[in-house]
Amino acid sequence: DAGVIQSPRHEVTEMGQEVTLRCKPISGHNSLFWYRQTMMRGLELLIYFNNNVPIDDSGMPEDRFSAKMPNASFSTLKIQPSEPRDSAVYFCASSLMGGPPKDTQYFGPGTRLTVL
Amino acid sequence: SQKIEQNSEALNIQEGKTATLTCNYTNYSPAYLQWYRQDPGRGPVFLLLIRENEKEKRKERLKVTFDTTLKQSLFHITASQPADSATYLCAPNRDDKIIFGKGTRLHILP
Repeated sequence: DAGVIQSPRHEVTEMGQEVTLRCKPISGHNSLFWYRQTMMRGLELLIYFNNNVPIDDSGMPEDRFSAKMPNASFSTLKIQPSEPRDSAVYFCASSLMGGPPKDTQYFGPGTRLTVL
Repeated sequence: SQKIEQNSEALNIQEGKTATLTCNYTNYSPAYLQWYRQDPGRGPVFLLLIRENEKEKRKERLKVTFDTTLKQSLFHITASQPADSATYLCAPNRDDKIIFGKGTRLHILP
């Protein structure tokens, strides 16, 4: 299995631009999680989906952030417009059975986002 | 608010010794607690899960304890090796919310 796939691995953009991060979960997993990691705040859960349905988006920082999961094999996290404080590493993770994160989560390699 | 505390300073341990990492939590009653390992430039990797009714869990050279009275989990690596050098994250959770600690960097010195 290829594991969780994220793209791009690195993204550098200018303030005000739209940024789209992509994730392909492990085949057969039915839950998907988006996290953001910074030195100051550590790893924060932004949103998670169960069977393609958003269950908890209370971690999404503000309306500039949105996430979709149109099918079981693809999800996007969009930031529009981007700001320098959005600079971080964004991780996608998936799990089987999922829902409550007590199940083992498999993380992707992350996307390092830099907003200038 | 809920708070997870892990040693913010890096931990240096001599190869072959036991490394012990601490995770403390406040304003929280997790039903279970997970430990993950993270290497530079990579995503976290799941290591162990312990439930609130379990005192101790072992997996090869790893051992985790969970004291709900002290609100603390200890993570031990016995016979440590340089390859164990990484950042270790604890993640207590309950219901549908998972909260990660900021992690402790562990260096095993040859």
